[in-house]
Amino acid sequence: EAQVTQNPRYLITVTGKKLTVTCSQNMNHEYMSWYRQDPGLGLRQIYYSMNVEVTDKGDVPEGYKVSRKEKRNFPLILESPSPNQTSLYFCASRGPGLSAYNEQFFGPGTRLTVL
Amino acid sequence: GNSVTQMEGPVTLSEEAFLTINCTYTATGYPSLFWYVQYPGEGLQLLLKATKADDKGSNKGFEATYRKETTSFHLEKGSVQVSDSAVYFCALRAGAGSYQLTFGKGTKLSVIP
Repeated sequence: EAQVTQNPRYLITVTGKKLTVTCSQNMNHEYMSWYRQDPGLGLRQIYYSMNVEVTDKGDVPEGYKVSRKEKRNFPLILESPSPNQTSLYFCASRGPGLSAYNEQFFGPGTRLTVL
Repeated sequence: GNSVTQMEGPVTLSEEAFLTINCTYTATGYPSLFWYVQYPGEGLQLLLKATKADDKGSNKGFEATYRKETTSFHLEKGSVQVSDSAVYFCALRAGAGSYQLTFGKGTKLSVIP
């Protein structure tokens, strides 16, 4: 089954304690992306990756890092989390080419609370 | 820059009522347009899409027509069901060379029996 998986699904942590949210896809997609979803703001892109070792900032990258060492994995790293990073996070991947029919597949989400 | 504006929610309808969720966009070039749906506790799923002017996307009884003259992509369904209760997001992908999606803020729909 084609899917994007994220772990953990729920996480409560404290300010300043480094954490990593993993994302993995089994569709051999080149493009992967991270979004955060906040009430009244919709989804905003944090970082994206066009391929292995190719990453770039999205609209709200401050306080986050990513890496893309393998095609299937795209972890999101919060080196020093702060309460304003409390949010619902989604990973997504997309097949190659610019056709709109290569839709983005979304993971189930990770709800992060930073105390 | 690109932007998507969709009607504020929440929207509450009775079962079998007609649904319209308005969406307008600002973009350069010729964007592709999408509606995504998020059921409670789940990630986003693509509901329908349109790639050029006058295209109509449809799925599960939902429809939306790409109107370039009014820069709109309104979502409609003739008869909603309780199972349609979800958050609906309008989104665009800018023209050639871009994979990035720009989302609206989402509209929460609740359908009551």
